[in-house]
Amino acid sequence: QSALTQPASVSGSPGQSITISCTGTSSDVGSNNFVSWYQQHPGKAPKFMIYEVSKRPSGVSNRFSGSKSGNTASLTISGLQAEDEADYYCCSCVDTPYVFGTGTKVTVL
Amino acid sequence: EVQLVESGGGLVKPGGSLRLSCATSGFPFTDAWISWVRQAPGKGLEWVGRIKNKGSGETRDYLAPVKGRFTISRDDSENTAYLQMNSLNTEDTAVYYCTWQSMHDFHHWGQGTLVSVSS
Repeated sequence: QSALTQPASVSGSPGQSITISCTGTSSDVGSNNFVSWYQQHPGKAPKFMIYEVSKRPSGVSNRFSGSKSGNTASLTISGLQAEDEADYYCCSCVDTPYVFGTGTKVTVL
Repeated sequence: EVQLVESGGGLVKPGGSLRLSCATSGFPFTDAWISWVRQAPGKGLEWVGRIKNKGSGETRDYLAPVKGRFTISRDDSENTAYLQMNSLNTEDTAVYYCTWQSMHDFHHWGQGTLVSVSS
């Protein structure tokens, strides 16, 4: 099972909105709503940001939102802030083997 | 407060073994599914394996390249999970995270422990 495809990098200025895509196939992303997103700052553990495509865990800013269309899931960060600079990973977490995306580095200009 | 604390990482020679521990607190460990996820230096996240709770038969599943070499276990009396790694090779070099997962996501992570396989 191949890793989900994400852009290597996305950048934006403070206050802007950016969107990170996560492309799979009809067998994973396209077949269910069990896509989750994780944020990872350098040298830190990943943090759970979005589950079931668009739901936010308690404590996660509402600037983060998720969506899905066909075989592609997306994470949108609105009102970009310096603290959002990090790596982001999606996961198609239907069943084992769980498959993560290739990761996207978000840079705040 | 939910806590997962990994330990046991270090430098090991190719072909060697290592046992990682994941000590937990702040949540009902006996009901939890635990996964191990690793991250090679400069690379992305890679799921390694999972153990379900006793009620689900403590079913274990593994990533194909580690099957037969790695074994996940748990001690519910100690709220601790383990990852026994045998026949290690250089491709196993990574930070290893333990995670408390639901059926379909990893909602709490430990801080990770570094495993380096080198001669």
